[in-house]
Amino acid sequence: DAGVIQSPRHEVTEMGQEVTLRCKPISGHDYLFWYRQTMMRGLELLIYFNNNVPIDDSGMPEDRFSAKMPNASFSTLKIQPSEPRDSAVYFCASSTFRDTEAFFGQGTRLTVV
Amino acid sequence: GNSVTQMEGPVTLSEEAFLTINCTYTATGYPSLFWYVQYPGEGLQLLLKATKADDKGSNKGFEATYRKETTSFHLEKGSVQVSDSAVYFCALSFSGYALNFGKGTSLLVTP
Repeated sequence: DAGVIQSPRHEVTEMGQEVTLRCKPISGHDYLFWYRQTMMRGLELLIYFNNNVPIDDSGMPEDRFSAKMPNASFSTLKIQPSEPRDSAVYFCASSTFRDTEAFFGQGTRLTVV
Repeated sequence: GNSVTQMEGPVTLSEEAFLTINCTYTATGYPSLFWYVQYPGEGLQLLLKATKADDKGSNKGFEATYRKETTSFHLEKGSVQVSDSAVYFCALSFSGYALNFGKGTSLLVTP
């Protein structure tokens, strides 16, 4: 398996623009997680899905953030409008119920200027 | 709630030194415990795990033992290499829930 695939790897955008981050989980994994990593706050869980259904979105910082999982092989994290404080590395990860370890993608480094 | 506390870094060691990174957890019940490693510019990789008390996880010369009595999962390696320089994260999880991570410990190994 190719592992968790995220795109793009790097994104630079201007404040106020819409940003969409994409993730393809490992085939057969029924849990998908979105994390954000910054120097100040470390790794933060934003939201996670089970069988394409959002289970816990309490970590989503504001209404500007939204996430979807239309099918088992694809998820998006959208920020609209983006702000400079959203600059971070965003990770997607997937796992199964039985094997609780999560497998991470390479991350998307977002810079909002 | 559930949480993980790990020692603050950065940790700087000479090559071939002994490494210990402390990790303790707070949880209701008995979670699975993990160590992840993050090399510069990369995502997190699972280093080792333990799913029940007294289990020892090991990989690439690293070891950690699940200690229920002290709620700890300390990471150790007998002889570090320059290539071990990275950030190490301790984490816990329960089936059906997301991983809870510690803040990470940066390790720098010098020749």
